[in-house]
Amino acid sequence: NAGVTQTPKFQVLKTGQSMTLQCAQDMNHEYMSWYRQDPGMGLRLIHYSVGAGITDQGEVPNGYNVSRSTTEDFPLRLLSAAPSQTSVYFCASNSGPGRYEQYFGPGTRLTVT
Amino acid sequence: AQTVTQSQPEMSVQEAETVTLSCTYDTSESDYYLFWYKQPPSRQMILVIRQEAYKQQNATENRFSVNFQKAAKSFSLKISDSQLGDAAMYFCAYRSMGNAGKSTFGDGTTLTVKP
Repeated sequence: NAGVTQTPKFQVLKTGQSMTLQCAQDMNHEYMSWYRQDPGMGLRLIHYSVGAGITDQGEVPNGYNVSRSTTEDFPLRLLSAAPSQTSVYFCASNSGPGRYEQYFGPGTRLTVT
Repeated sequence: AQTVTQSQPEMSVQEAETVTLSCTYDTSESDYYLFWYKQPPSRQMILVIRQEAYKQQNATENRFSVNFQKAAKSFSLKISDSQLGDAAMYFCAYRSMGNAGKSTFGDGTTLTVKP
């Protein structure tokens, strides 16, 4: 099992550009989530999905879109990048509610200039 | 909405000593789960320990244990016999029982282990 994979590992964008951060998991997990981590802060939830075709907003959804067409993939789209979106982005998945551990990807470091 | 507070931005401990990291949370729910994650410089998030709110017994995983005080909404992590490899950022996290996709994290505590 590769677990949760994210691409790219690093990305630099100019203000106004768009891009998609990829996330895939091979554990057949129903639940997937996107978080951002700013310097000196914890992870904040952007969007999450409870199954294919079902997504919902988290704490900081503005400027991001998601879709979940398959169980395995959960891409995060930045519509028009802004310097405030400079952050490290983590994708996570877990198999069920409650006590089940969230498995995290290695993160993508995004810089918007 | 739930909030998680870690009041110690930085802590240090001597190798082989014991250290306790603090975490408090705010919720109106009665059933939930609490987690401690470790984030070393590699950025990888690693689960250290989890606690179910309905369990009175404190969770233990080898050198790591928690002190869970439900009424006080407190969830501290004790690391015994600290090792150099324990140096990392530690995050406390809250998750509602019914929603697996949403976790709320504290801002973290950076732990330094001195040889």
